[in-house]
Amino acid sequence: NAGVTQTPKFQVLKTGQSMTLQCAQDMNHNSMYWYRQDPGMGLRLIYYSASEGTTDKGEVPNGYNVSRLNKREFSLRLESAAPSQTSVYFCASLLAGGDEQYFGPGTRLTVT
Amino acid sequence: LAKTTQPISMDSYEGQEVNITCSHNNIATNDYITWYQQFPSQGPRFIIQGYKTKVTNEVASLFIPADRKSSTLSLPRVSLSDTAVYYCLVVGNNNAGNMLTFGGGTRLMVKP
Repeated sequence: NAGVTQTPKFQVLKTGQSMTLQCAQDMNHNSMYWYRQDPGMGLRLIYYSASEGTTDKGEVPNGYNVSRLNKREFSLRLESAAPSQTSVYFCASLLAGGDEQYFGPGTRLTVT
Repeated sequence: LAKTTQPISMDSYEGQEVNITCSHNNIATNDYITWYQQFPSQGPRFIIQGYKTKVTNEVASLFIPADRKSSTLSLPRVSLSDTAVYYCLVVGNNNAGNMLTFGGGTRLMVKP
C-alpha cells in the first residue's frame, strides 16, 4: 500500500514550457486535491476533485488545469510555466468528507 | 467555509506542554476541527480531529468548548522533534467532497 505517490520529485522548467504533474493513490479514496506551498507559507488549494469525473477550482486555479483520469489518478498541468509558479506541489486524497487527508511527498518545481 | 485564525509562531522548551489555539467563529453545525502537522520538505500529516469537548490520542489532545468557536491543540512534554508547522482546519462532514483549505499555520519551535 503506497498511499499517495507523486511524480516527478523535482523539475526545472523554463518560462513558457509545459508539464504535467502526476498523482496516484491506492487507497480507493473518492476525493483528491492539488495544493501549492511557497517558501515559508501555508498550503493553498489549486484544484480538487470531489469524486471521479468531477473537478472544481480552489483558491488559486489560474495557470493550471487538472484531469481526474480515473479514481486513482489526478494530474495537474501547467500549460505555460511562469516563474511565479515556482513552488512545492502537494497532492492529497481522502475517502469522504470528515476523514483525514493523506498527502504525497511533493514535487519541487522551479521555473526559470 | 469556516475561516480559521491561529498564531503565526510559538516558542517552547523541551519537556513543556504546548497549547496552540485556533479561532473558527463561523463553524457550522456539521463541521469537525482537524489538526495537521508539517515537517520541512514533507506533506502535512493528520494529528487529531474532534467535534466537541475533548479528544485524546497518543500524540495530542484537542479541547473544544461548548460554543465550538475555538479549539486548542495540546502537545504534552514536547521534544525537539515536535518542531513543525501546525495547521487547524474546519472540515465539513458530508460525502460530496470538501474544498479543504489550509491557513498559514502555527510555526512551533522547540528549543533545548
